[in-house]
Amino acid sequence: EIVLTQSPGTLSLSPGERVTLSCRASESVRSTYFAWYQQRPGQAPRLLIYSTSFRAIGIPDRFSGSGSGTDFSLTISGLEPADFGVYYCQQYEMSPWTFGQGTKVEI
Amino acid sequence: QITLEESGPSLVKPTQTLTLTCSFSGFSLNSVGASVAWLRQPPGKAPEWLAVVYWDDDKRYSPALKGRLTITKDTSRNQVVLKVTDVDRVDTATHFCVHSQTASGRIYWGRGILVTVSS
Repeated sequence: EIVLTQSPGTLSLSPGERVTLSCRASESVRSTYFAWYQQRPGQAPRLLIYSTSFRAIGIPDRFSGSGSGTDFSLTISGLEPADFGVYYCQQYEMSPWTFGQGTKVEI
Repeated sequence: QITLEESGPSLVKPTQTLTLTCSFSGFSLNSVGASVAWLRQPPGKAPEWLAVVYWDDDKRYSPALKGRLTITKDTSRNQVVLKVTDVDRVDTATHFCVHSQTASGRIYWGRGILVTVSS
């Protein structure tokens, strides 16, 4: 199975800051099948980015994704208070689909 | 517009079989490249993939739960059913059905259903 390792584990940031979250895969993943999610307490995961760099419907353009092969990243430009939560990366190219362990963003 | 909705019991007893139904609209599971998967998320943990069924009826299962899972599709009813046998308290989780399209990589989630395993 493809193991996804996210870094850092926790971030404490201020509104307006720019942050980049990283996700490293144990083997190469096709960019078509890589996604990022935000999850706030008590809520379902919210799809932010699919296919590495495509924003899901309704996602503001301060969220952007990039990467290829084994290294992927999510950048949030101009953090807002609503951006707190846990961020997960996911690959859905190969079964079993796998998730990273999450990066917690505290504002 | 693509939508998916999970349904099933909110409470099951240990050793029972859990049956969940995903009802979807806006796409056909007969279309080449379409798939529907089931995932779950125990409280406080990361999501976990369980199983997937593809348009050609190919099926894959989580190695961790293989033997306890059965996924089936009913294309005439636009439904995918997941059965989980011999449930235990550790199977308590919010369960989600997810649709993805091979060609575009687009992915869509249902809202999820919380299933609690307790006697």
